Amino acid sequence: QKEVEQNSGPLSVPEGAIASLNCTYSDRVSQSFFWYRQYSGKSPELIMSIYSNGDKEDGRFTAQLNKASQYVSLLIRDSQPSDSATYLCAVKSTGRRALTFGSGTRLQVQP
Amino acid sequence: EAQVTQNPRYLITVTGKKLTVTCSQNMNHEYMSWYRQDPGLGLRQIYYSMNVEVTDKGDVPEGYKVSRKEKRNFPLILESPSPNQTSLYFCASTLSGNNEQFFGPGTRLTVL
Repeated sequence: QKEVEQNSGPLSVPEGAIASLNCTYSDRVSQSFFWYRQYSGKSPELIMSIYSNGDKEDGRFTAQLNKASQYVSLLIRDSQPSDSATYLCAVKSTGRRALTFGSGTRLQVQP
Repeated sequence: EAQVTQNPRYLITVTGKKLTVTCSQNMNHEYMSWYRQDPGLGLRQIYYSMNVEVTDKGDVPEGYKVSRKEKRNFPLILESPSPNQTSLYFCASTLSGNNEQFFGPGTRLTVL
């Protein structure tokens, strides 16, 4: 079992819809969670970070964390074609010195 | 402008020819990392540094070396590159272990 798992997609949504991206992790002592967006051929850029259970909203983005179920999700409201990218989930666990990344979910927003 | 820079951005080389990819950050970050990204495997950490002269292996360190003689620089060294090291490489820095990582623009390496 991978430490951080994501559906590779592609996840295809129409413009204006809500895109829901999910991530599960295996290490129960994980403490910090990040969503990165990566356009093709470019470097990852941070979208959201979340550290405690519940929802965290930033503009059109909402991160949701459920430590009991060991999943973290990212909702993108009013999806735009410019949101088409690969979204990487990253987890920081106690005792590990680095982030562990999932392999990413490719999102396609259809105009 | 706060940034992480990498050079070169693209490199084609041959098996066994030593190469160095440079990484520099201007944010006074203590933590720096090197990752490689391969299709279907995501980002995997190669090496990690918590400060000057302090480095540690990541998940895939075989075939790579690093050094951290100055806080801002963290070069990645391939002493004898092989074709399985063909990949997209990213350098990243962060203020502390739990904070956002800032990524460089990437170096696409091809080893023939």
